[in-house]
Amino acid sequence: QKEVEQDPGPLSVPEGAIVSLNCTYSNSAFQYFMWYRQYSRKGPELLMYTYSSGNKEDGRFTAQVDKSSKYISLFIRDSQPSDSATYLCAMGNSGNTPLVFGKGTRLSVIA
Amino acid sequence: GAVVSQHPSRVICKSGTSVKIECRSLDFQATTMFWYRQFPKKSLMLMATSNEGSKATYEQGVEKDKFLINHASLTLSTLTVTSAHPEDSSFYICSASKVAGAGEQYFGPGTRLTVT
Repeated sequence: QKEVEQDPGPLSVPEGAIVSLNCTYSNSAFQYFMWYRQYSRKGPELLMYTYSSGNKEDGRFTAQVDKSSKYISLFIRDSQPSDSATYLCAMGNSGNTPLVFGKGTRLSVIA
Repeated sequence: GAVVSQHPSRVICKSGTSVKIECRSLDFQATTMFWYRQFPKKSLMLMATSNEGSKATYEQGVEKDKFLINHASLTLSTLTVTSAHPEDSSFYICSASKVAGAGEQYFGPGTRLTVT
């Protein structure tokens, strides 16, 4: 079993839809959970950062972490064409150890 | 903020030459920086972890003599691709972790290397 599993998609939704992106993981030691957005030929941009379990909301984005199920989610409300990108989940133990990344989900929001 | 810059953003070099890529944390101190490689439409591949003032830790399969990493200060790490070959052509991205923070890594915009 891979340490982090993420469906690569592609995922195509109409503008205004609610998008749900998910990752599962196997390492119960993970404490930090992140979502990055990467546009083509650009470096990943940190979208959401969550420590341990719980929800975090920032504008149209909501991140959820369920450590008991080893499952994290990113919800995008009122999706826009500009949200079209690859979304990477990442998780880790401390700031000085490498994050473990999912393979990324390619999202297309169609106008 | 947490801004990481990379220079150059794009470089073309001839086979056999060396190329240096700089990674700077502009508004925070980074004890640890990471170097990744990414092929088109593929996920990030960690190459090495770089701690300020000490030798980098390379991932399995990454040649340390080919990919020289220096982390001379809390805001600067460099990756030098030595004796570059066309197969080294790729997108190289660095990330930095804050000294006082925990978990988050902030990425640079990446450097596209083309070896002809």
